Amino acid sequence: RKEVEQDPGPFNVPEGATVAFNCTYSNSASQSFFWYRQDCRKEPKLLMSVYSSGNEDGRFTAQLNRASQYISLLIRDSKLSDSATYLCVVIRGSTLGRLYFGRGTQLTVWP
Amino acid sequence: GAGVSQSPSNKVTEKGKDVELRCDPISGHTALYWYRQSLGQGLEFLIYFQGNSAPDKSGLPSDRFSAERTGGSVSTLTIQRTQQEDSAVYLCASSLVLGLDSTDTQYFGPGTRLTVL
Repeated sequence: RKEVEQDPGPFNVPEGATVAFNCTYSNSASQSFFWYRQDCRKEPKLLMSVYSSGNEDGRFTAQLNRASQYISLLIRDSKLSDSATYLCVVIRGSTLGRLYFGRGTQLTVWP
Repeated sequence: GAGVSQSPSNKVTEKGKDVELRCDPISGHTALYWYRQSLGQGLEFLIYFQGNSAPDKSGLPSDRFSAERTGGSVSTLTIQRTQQEDSAVYLCASSLVLGLDSTDTQYFGPGTRLTVL
C-alpha cells in the first residue's frame, strides 16, 4: 500500500464551483502534512500546510483527521488559475526531511 | 532572491552512459534533497543532505545512483550506466533547515528531464 493515496481525478469543474480533494496516509507516525500544487511541466510549490485544527487561506481550506488518517483540501469559488495537479504530502517524524507524495489529483477549471 | 536552480534542464543520453545532474540550492539553505518524478509514479524521494551530517541515501533505487554535496552548497546527482527506466524528471529541493515545521518548507527547482534512449 502506498504511503499516501489520492484520487487521481481528473476533476473538471466550472468557474465558481467548490471542489474537494481527499487524501489518506498509511503511516500513523506521520507528523506533518501539506498540500503542494504542481502546474503542468513545472516544479511543485507549497500551497499550504495542514494543521490539526484545520486551517484556511483565502479560498482554500485544509482539514486533518488523525484518527482516520485523512486529509482534505477544499477550494471555494474556483478560478481558471486553480487548474493544476494538487499533491498531498506527509512527513514522518522518524524520517525528517523526507517528503512522501501522493500521485496528485488533477483539477481543470473551465470558463 | 534566486530560487533553486538545476542544470541541465533537459538531458538525452544513450543507455549505458553516465550522467551528472547539478543542483544549486537557495543561498543559506542547509538542507538539500533530490527527488524524481516518473510518469505514473508520482514523486519519490532519493536522498537528502543536512549540513555536515551523513546523507540519508535510503531512497536511492540502486548502486548506480550516487550524490554528493560539495562545500555544503552545490550538489551533483550521478547516474552510472543509465537504463531506460531511469528516464524521469529529477527534482532538487532545498530548505533552510531540516525539520517538521512548515517554516522548513522545501523549495523545488525546475528539474532536469532525463531521457535514456
